[in-house]
Parts: sequence; C-alpha cells; structure tokens
Amino acid sequence: GENVEQHPSTLSVQEGDSAVIKCTYSDSASNYFPWYKQELGKRPQLIIDIRSNVGEKKDQRIAVTLNKTAKHFSLHITETQPEDSAVYFCAASKGYKLSFGAGTTVTVRA
Amino acid sequence: NAGVTQTPKFQVLKTGQSMTLQCAQDMNHEYMSWYRQDPGMGLRLIHYSVGAGITDQGEVPNGYNVSRSTTEDFPLRLLSAAPSQTSVYFCASSYSTKDTQYFGPGTRLTVL
Repeated sequence: GENVEQHPSTLSVQEGDSAVIKCTYSDSASNYFPWYKQELGKRPQLIIDIRSNVGEKKDQRIAVTLNKTAKHFSLHITETQPEDSAVYFCAASKGYKLSFGAGTTVTVRA
Repeated sequence: NAGVTQTPKFQVLKTGQSMTLQCAQDMNHEYMSWYRQDPGMGLRLIHYSVGAGITDQGEVPNGYNVSRSTTEDFPLRLLSAAPSQTSVYFCASSYSTKDTQYFGPGTRLTVL
C-alpha cells in the first residue's frame, strides 16, 4: 500500500515567518494530495489539495507544490499567525484509499 | 445540514465487550470511511464504502466490521474490544475520494 512520510514532526516559527512541511509518498500512481489542519480537540479539516496534473496551487497565505518525479509535495504557509498553530496532515490517494502522514505540530510564537 | 455526525462522543469499554460506533451524513455522499487516530501515527483507514451495499478493508481492519445499508449511515462495530483499540475514531464522507472529505467530531474510545 501507499506509504506517506511527513517532516518535520514539530515546527516552531515566529509570527510573521513562513512554515514549510514536506511529505513523500511511495506509490507513483497516487494522484490526489490533500492537506488537513486539526486544532486541539477538533476534527481534521481540509485546507488545500492538489491533483497530479498540477504542479502548484495557492490559496491566500497557503500554497502546495507537487513534484511527481521525486514523489514529494510540500505545504507552505506564509506570514504565519497565532491561529495557524495546529497539527497539519498530508495525505496521498490512489483509487479509494487515502493514506495520511503522521502529522506536523506547528506552533506560532508571538 | 448537520454534516457528519458521530455517536457517542466518549465511550469506555471492558476488554471483550462489543459495541457499535454510529456515523451518519446528510450530504448525499457516496464515499464514507472510518479512521482511527493514535498519537504520532496520523489517521489510519479502517474500512471504507463507495456506496450502499459496498464496503472494503482499509489499512487496519482487524477487529472491526462495517456495513452500509443506506447512503446516510455507516456504523463501525467492534466485535470483542481490546486495549489496543483505545483510540479516537473519526468517520468521514465525500462525493468521491478526490473530493473534500468531511470529518465527524470523533469518538474517544477507551478499552480497559
């Protein structure tokens, strides 16, 4: 099955700085890559996704890049704010199964 | 719309007991799935369904059963609870696997 690795496991950034989370996947047939944000005690919520026919996608302060050749994709958060503090999960999908990374705990320092 | 709902929110079981975690959605989604979330391991797929009457195994199906008799409901049954099944369980639904998955609020299960 698909194996998704996510780094780093924890990330502390100064408010206003950028945060980058990287994921790799093992199955070259995976073609859908969503990112979820989970605040403490809450459910995961989709923040952005990208499909394999696209190299980059942006939504305000959030961007995702995909390198199919290297089988890795990244989440970029610019101008971080305190409300960006949460756990972020990457995922990869082929067919009907969605495989998640282990998560990155992001802390934005005021 | 209520979205995805789950009951109960919290449950404590003794080893060997059985129970059913309920999940329902009112968005007419065909795809529904169950995940368990353990510290440091992300979300792992237990079972999924692509429509009424169709279910399949995910990454960690042992000890769990599912059925999908209607589009709206997707219950997860623990046959004989074990301490290793202590976890937070999330149900999710979407139009397809390549669309936004909407998660329920979760059920925190403790098996003693």
